[in-house]
Amino acid sequence: GQQLNQSPQSMFIQEGEDVSMNCTSSSIFNTWLWYKQDPGEGPVLLIALYKAGELTSNGRLTAQFGITRKDSFLNISASIPSDVGIYFCAGMNYGGSQGNLIFGKGTKLSVKP
Amino acid sequence: DAGVIQSPRHEVTEMGQEVTLRCKPISGHNSLFWYRQTMMRGLELLIYFNNNVPIDDSGMPEDRFSAKMPNASFSTLKIQPSEPRDSAVYFCASSSRDPRAGYTFGSGTRLTVV
Repeated sequence: GQQLNQSPQSMFIQEGEDVSMNCTSSSIFNTWLWYKQDPGEGPVLLIALYKAGELTSNGRLTAQFGITRKDSFLNISASIPSDVGIYFCAGMNYGGSQGNLIFGKGTKLSVKP
Repeated sequence: DAGVIQSPRHEVTEMGQEVTLRCKPISGHNSLFWYRQTMMRGLELLIYFNNNVPIDDSGMPEDRFSAKMPNASFSTLKIQPSEPRDSAVYFCASSSRDPRAGYTFGSGTRLTVV
């Protein structure tokens, strides 16, 4: 079945640093989503991408839909302590009324004040 | 909207007991998903419903697991009998007719089977 490889698995950074993480797929997706999970909560949608090459920002977060349609990237600029959590990429091949999200295993981000 | 509501938030039960997890999706959403999250396996899709009908239950680990959606505003995931290896966080999520808008997750139920 389809698999997503998300890297890195974990990151330990200093407050103020920029963060980059990525996700690669063994097959093509037509939708990429990025979620963040705070401790003790469910994942929350951060950014949605629908076109190859698309670059979308949400505050300090920027995500890109790779031109090969097999990858996506998430960047966080000037990290702050509340950025701590697990970031998940998710891909979907949406067709007609059907489409299931496939999730990566997550990148655990720790930010040192 | 209150979002996706799951209950209970925490459940501790003894091996062999029946466990029922509950979910109320967002009003107007027509798809509902049950996920299990563990350190080893990450987020695993167990089953999903479209318009209250189970579409794909290939992720349900064994016959001990069953899920129902009797109406558009309620779903249950039942484990009978429960085993220690079922310990995990179980999430319910719902989506609108356009799933590309993403799924909205509940806060999860942390299940511990001792």
